[in-house]
Amino acid sequence: DIQMTQSPSSVSAFVGDRVTITCRATQGISNWLVWYQQKPGKAPKLLIYAASILQSGVPSRFSGSGAGTDFTLTISSLQPEDFATYYCQQANSFPPTFGPGTKVHIK
Amino acid sequence: QVQLVQSGAEVKKPGASVKVSCKASGYTFSSYGINWVRQAPGQGLEWMGWISVYNGNTNYEQKLQGRITMTTDRSTSTAYMELRSLRSDDTAVYYCARGARALATDYFDYWGQGTLVTVSS
Repeated sequence: DIQMTQSPSSVSAFVGDRVTITCRATQGISNWLVWYQQKPGKAPKLLIYAASILQSGVPSRFSGSGAGTDFTLTISSLQPEDFATYYCQQANSFPPTFGPGTKVHIK
Repeated sequence: QVQLVQSGAEVKKPGASVKVSCKASGYTFSSYGINWVRQAPGQGLEWMGWISVYNGNTNYEQKLQGRITMTTDRSTSTAYMELRSLRSDDTAVYYCARGARALATDYFDYWGQGTLVTVSS
């Protein structure tokens, strides 16, 4: 199975800050990397698929990049509603696997 | 709009079985697969398996093989996940999620609200 790692595991930031989260796969996954946002007590929400395509309705302050094994999620100007846990997931090779998550805290 | 509505919370004893349902609406049920993902308390997301609503094909996470069965009822647009021989470490919130590309290896564009399954003696 492809293992996914994320860094950092948590980050504290102010509203308005730029935040970058990194996701790495143990083998190449082309561009089949997906990002989800999860708030406490809620289901995950799809943010970005195919590494860089924003899901409909997701604010443009979210962006994704990368290919192969290294990927990033960037929030250009953190908003109060963005404090959540972010998960990456590879959708290239069976079985689909998730990263351990990155929790974004209010500073 | 696409909605996946799951059945309510369950409390089960070790060794018992649980069957969680997921009713879909707002799209053509047979055109997409349904995946199940679970999340233990305070932990990350774990993919459990996939079912093709179109032909009933399934793929399960290897460590759950033999304990899990996924089915669908196209007449009611409902998917089911049954987990048997429950253990305490099966305590988790169980989510159904629509596969965006109708493939066995997929990503998930719509999710149910989650069903808490507690396994306790």
